[in-house]
Amino acid sequence: DAGVIQSPRHEVTEMGQEVTLRCKPISGHNSLFWYRQTMMRGLELLIYFNNNVPIDDSGMPEDRFSAKMPNASFSTLKIQPSEPRDSAVYFCASSEGGDNQPQHFGDGTRLSIL
Amino acid sequence: AQSVTQLGSHVSVSEGALVLLRCNYSSSVPPYLFWYVQYPNQGLQLLLKYTSAATLVKGINGFEAEFKKSETSFHLTKPSAHMSDAAEYFCAVSTSGGYQKVTFGIGTKLQVIP
Repeated sequence: DAGVIQSPRHEVTEMGQEVTLRCKPISGHNSLFWYRQTMMRGLELLIYFNNNVPIDDSGMPEDRFSAKMPNASFSTLKIQPSEPRDSAVYFCASSEGGDNQPQHFGDGTRLSIL
Repeated sequence: AQSVTQLGSHVSVSEGALVLLRCNYSSSVPPYLFWYVQYPNQGLQLLLKYTSAATLVKGINGFEAEFKKSETSFHLTKPSAHMSDAAEYFCAVSTSGGYQKVTFGIGTKLQVIP
């Protein structure tokens, strides 16, 4: 059973460049989450989709960040332009929906902005 | 509003000793509670979850947690630590209401000393 798949696993790019992170949730899951993890701030929820619709994007840091979910099997998180303070590990997670359902995490994308 | 407090960002135990990781929650309604584990360079994995069926919950890898409403606690225990238990552990809370927002604790890094 395939888990949540994220790509790329590592990304190193220069400040000002556009960065696109990709996520394929588990088939049949209708909720999708994007998180950012740093040493200083821990795990932060960026955005939550339910049935492909963004429900809560209050965690998105600023307008440089955008996320889309064009269909049930694919989501992207884009940063444009990127800045060094965006360096972090970005996780995508999916779940079956419902408050008592656990989230299944991908292995993350380690992003370094030089 | 809901919140989670994990006491101790770092815990060290000897191999074979009892593991106790503390988690206290705050919620105005009955909560769903989760423990996740994160190994280096991986995403979070579910260890166990509490959904009101039983106060003592058994999870994978020999871990268990007990829900104590009077103490608003959900501490994670394992009778005998193994080297492979070295990881970071996250407590999380979710509440009913139609929006699956999960609040994660700051995490506790468990070191197992041989």
